[in-house]
Amino acid sequence: RKEVEQDPGPFNVPEGATVAFNCTYSNSASQSFFWYRQDCRKEPKLLMSVYSSGNEDGRFTAQLNRASQYISLLIRDSKLSDSATYLCVVTTTGGFKTIFGAGTRLFVKA
Amino acid sequence: DADVTQTPRNRITKTGKRIMLECSQTKGHDRMYWYRQDPGLGLRLIYYSFDVKDINKGEISDGYSVSRQAQAKFSLSLESAIPNQTALYFCATSDHRDRGNEQFFGPGTRLTVL
Repeated sequence: RKEVEQDPGPFNVPEGATVAFNCTYSNSASQSFFWYRQDCRKEPKLLMSVYSSGNEDGRFTAQLNRASQYISLLIRDSKLSDSATYLCVVTTTGGFKTIFGAGTRLFVKA
Repeated sequence: DADVTQTPRNRITKTGKRIMLECSQTKGHDRMYWYRQDPGLGLRLIYYSFDVKDINKGEISDGYSVSRQAQAKFSLSLESAIPNQTALYFCATSDHRDRGNEQFFGPGTRLTVL
């Protein structure tokens, strides 16, 4: 079983749609959680951190459920520019081990 | 100028050749990493270094070696390249003071081994 698992997609949605991605992790010692975004043939970049209380950044909302060991990302009012691969990332205490999920591809169409 | 740079950006080589990929950073970070990315497999860690005198194997180190020449430089070598090492290679950095260990990536090197 992979330490971090994501639905690979692709998710094909129209502009304006709401789309949700889930990610599960297996290491209960995981301490920090993130979503990164990766455009085609580009480097991954941090999109947002994920906190137990949930956090929101504009159209993006991230949630963490420690009991069930899953992380979610919700994108509202999808834009064409949201088309990318979204990577779920989990780090253990002290940042000694960081695991990247394989990513979920999103295509937003006009 | 980019904070994390990689050279070359693209390289085509033949089986059996020795290849070196270089990474430099101006972020002042102490931690550096090398990953490879293959379609459907995501990022896989090859080697990482938490400071100049520290080198650690990652998930897939066989066939690779690294050198941390200075805090700002971390190079990856393929001693004898083989076709299944064809991939996109990323260097990344992070700061040990960041508890979340956010990583900052270079633009990547696309390597093709014929």
